[in-house]
Amino acid sequence: GAGVSQTPSNKVTEKGKYVELRCDPISGHTALYWYRQSLGQGPEFLIYFQGTGAADDSGLPNDRFFAVRPEGSVSTLKIQRTERGDSAVYLCASSLRPGRVETQYFGPGTRLLVL
Amino acid sequence: GESVGLHLPTLSVQEGDNSIINCAYSNSASDYFIWYKQESGKGPQFIIDIRSNMDKRQGQRVTVLLNKTVKHLSLQIAATQPGDSAVYFCAVPAGGTSYGKLTFGQGTILTVHP
Repeated sequence: GAGVSQTPSNKVTEKGKYVELRCDPISGHTALYWYRQSLGQGPEFLIYFQGTGAADDSGLPNDRFFAVRPEGSVSTLKIQRTERGDSAVYLCASSLRPGRVETQYFGPGTRLLVL
Repeated sequence: GESVGLHLPTLSVQEGDNSIINCAYSNSASDYFIWYKQESGKGPQFIIDIRSNMDKRQGQRVTVLLNKTVKHLSLQIAATQPGDSAVYFCAVPAGGTSYGKLTFGQGTILTVHP
């Protein structure tokens, strides 16, 4: 079946602009995760949803970052007043159920470049 | 907090050789470990996992070894192929209620020469 999909695949924006990144999880997966990956680094956790609610948003760097999952499926990561330091690959993952030993399946990521 | 680290950032091998990628972790309470493979331009792909009640687990051409005494795990790839060229990460789930959060190591770049 289809895997996790993310759109757009690439996004170039100017400093100070607002961006939205979209994630479509695997159908039927109840848990959804956002990570950010800087060049040469491993992914860093941002936020995790169980259904519609954010179960853990401890990784969001500041209040410019916000994510929603209104119907428990598609999620949108929103970044306000973008800064050059926000440039990174934003990865989305989903798992069938929430849990420590549930395999997280990753999408291809959105490459964000803030000029 | 949890941290994972990798001993070598790069590994270069010849096709057909066996590869060993290492990872150290800091939290002795960690009880579950995962290896991911990330090819250029793609998201991480699950390879294999291991729970702390095991010291070895085998998959197709891959074996993960866990040494809880020294808090070290390794990923062994048998008969490495050019398609194995990628960045390999070990990852550990957070404890407590933050069980959705994976902590990744920096990664090892594996290059396989034909």
